[in-house]
Amino acid sequence: KAGVTQTPRYLIKTRGQQVTLSCSPISGHRSVSWYQQTPGQGLQFLFEYFSETQRNKGNFPGRFSGRQFSNSRSEMNVSTLELGDSALYLCASSLDSGGQSEQYFGPGTRLTVT
Amino acid sequence: QQQVKQSPQSLIVQKGGISIINCAYENTAFDYFPWYQQFPGKGPALLIAIRPDVSEKKEGRFTISFNKSAKQFSLHIMDSQPGDSATYFCAASQLGNEKLTFGTGTRLTIIP
Repeated sequence: KAGVTQTPRYLIKTRGQQVTLSCSPISGHRSVSWYQQTPGQGLQFLFEYFSETQRNKGNFPGRFSGRQFSNSRSEMNVSTLELGDSALYLCASSLDSGGQSEQYFGPGTRLTVT
Repeated sequence: QQQVKQSPQSLIVQKGGISIINCAYENTAFDYFPWYQQFPGKGPALLIAIRPDVSEKKEGRFTISFNKSAKQFSLHIMDSQPGDSATYFCAASQLGNEKLTFGTGTRLTIIP
């Protein structure tokens, strides 16, 4: 079975621009979660989608948004980029939503904001 | 109350030795505790996970010990190998919630 895939792997954007990241979960997985990883704040939960609905949301500003499609693929969008948004953005998928299933991470998208 | 505290921040262990990483939590609603291993340039990989109904779980050289009353859990890596050199994260989540709350990570280095 193919793992979680994320595109693009690397991205360089300018402050004020917006960006869209994509995640394809493991086949059969219906829950997709997004995390931000930075040296200073570590791994922080952004949001989780299940059956095209946002089920949980972390403490990030409204500039961070996401969506999930009927095939469980997910995208996250960051608008009006700030320098502090530079991070590794990780997507994780699991079989279902409920907090009891194993989550598997993709390789991440490295976003650099200049 | 949502925090998971992890220690040590870095750890150096000789090849063949036992690596021990500790985590503590406050939220008694947490009921799922996974450990992840991350190599540079890669996403975290699930190593082993435990639920509070057992005090220990072993998979190969990796063992989780869980102390519910102390609200602590730890990862033991037996016979540590240079290939185990990576950053390890503990995490926790609660029933009905996929959100993982992560510890701050431990950078493990195994020296020959």
